[in-house]
This record gives sequence, C-alpha cells and structure tokens, in this order.
Amino acid sequence: DAGITQSPRHKVTETGTPVTLRCHQTENHRYMYWYRQDPGHGLRLIHYSYGVKDTDKGEVSDGYSVSRSKTEDFLLTLESATSSQTSVYFCAIRDQTGVNSPLHFGNGTRLTVT
Amino acid sequence: SQQGEEDPQALSIQEGENATMNCSYKTSINNLQWYRQNSGRGLVHLILIRSNEREKHSGRLRVTLDTSKKSSSLLITASRAADTASYFCATNSGYSTLTFGKGTMLLVSP
Repeated sequence: DAGITQSPRHKVTETGTPVTLRCHQTENHRYMYWYRQDPGHGLRLIHYSYGVKDTDKGEVSDGYSVSRSKTEDFLLTLESATSSQTSVYFCAIRDQTGVNSPLHFGNGTRLTVT
Repeated sequence: SQQGEEDPQALSIQEGENATMNCSYKTSINNLQWYRQNSGRGLVHLILIRSNEREKHSGRLRVTLDTSKKSSSLLITASRAADTASYFCATNSGYSTLTFGKGTMLLVSP
C-alpha cells in the first residue's frame, strides 16, 4: 500500500461533532489528496496538498478543512459532521516527478454520521 | 463534476473471456489512467497512457486512447476470477489533480 496509513479505519460519530481523519505516509511524497467515495458518484476530490502548509480546495470542499504541518501527515477535519458526510474517505499520495506519475491510495476510512 | 464516465456500469463474464470497458471524458487531457479497486480496499494504479499515445500494453491489459473522440478503452484478456473488482478511469488535465469516473464493476465467474 505504498506506505500510506489512514486512521481510524472506521468511525461512527454524531451529527454536529468535529471529526479528524489522519493520513500518514512514509514515502516522502510531495502531493497528498483526500477523496470521498459514494455510491453513484465515484471518487470526488475534497482537498489536496502540494507541500507543507500548501493546500488547495477540490470539487467538494465545503464543510471540510485540511492541514499539513509535516510532509508525512495530512489531516482532514469535518468541522461539524453532517449525515451527508457519511462516506468512505481515501487518502492518496503522488511523488513530484510530474503530472504523469500515478496516485497511490490508502485503504480508506469508513465514516458514519448518525 | 465528473470528467471521466465509464461504460458499462457493470459487466459479468466467465473466466477466460475478455473484458472491455470504456471511458469517455470531456476536456483535453495530459494523460488518462486506469485504476482497480477490490472490495473494501483502496484504488491501485494499473496503467497510464499519455495524450500523444494511442495504445499501451501491460501484461493482460491493453489500453487505447482516442483523443479526437475523447475516449479510452481498457481490455483485460483471458480474465480470471481474481480480476473481479471495480475499474476506474481518471484524467489529468495538466494540473496537480486527477478526476475520476464512477467506475465499472467487473464480475468474473469461474
């Protein structure tokens, strides 16, 4: 799994609570991404990072924030979880060799918001 | 919005048969990539084809790209039960991000 660890693997939380998901990599890759996967929608990009403290929004960023204080860690925070954020969240990394390098994915975090 | 759209949504074949899935996209691209996802796991990169390439092979995989039609196909030859998975195309349009389609679910029966 290309040295990517997502934690927790499963989480159940209540509406309105903050939630933080963690992605940790051991590859020293520059780019890190958070996607969510939902039936009928495929994978949609939430946020991504192109370096320490450098992040940008993706297609579905509302209600999410991210932080990257170290190369190896990329945190995704749901500021106030809603039921529509029930999903499987995937972290991915990519090295800095250019746009023709592939993504490597973690095994996901299944989040349920009740 | 989705850039790539796979077709069919689901495909069921017997072991030994070939499986073909298609991807259409909307804007110009730098490259197109195919990924596989086994149930409960993350996506795994299979093959990348650049916009100036028309065909690429990797083992039992053959990918074609037609930029004039904005479409790509993935052919898996001599399918095995272990090929059962969802397959996604993803496009890179020159930026740091990939845009994924909704996927094709492939079931290969013994």
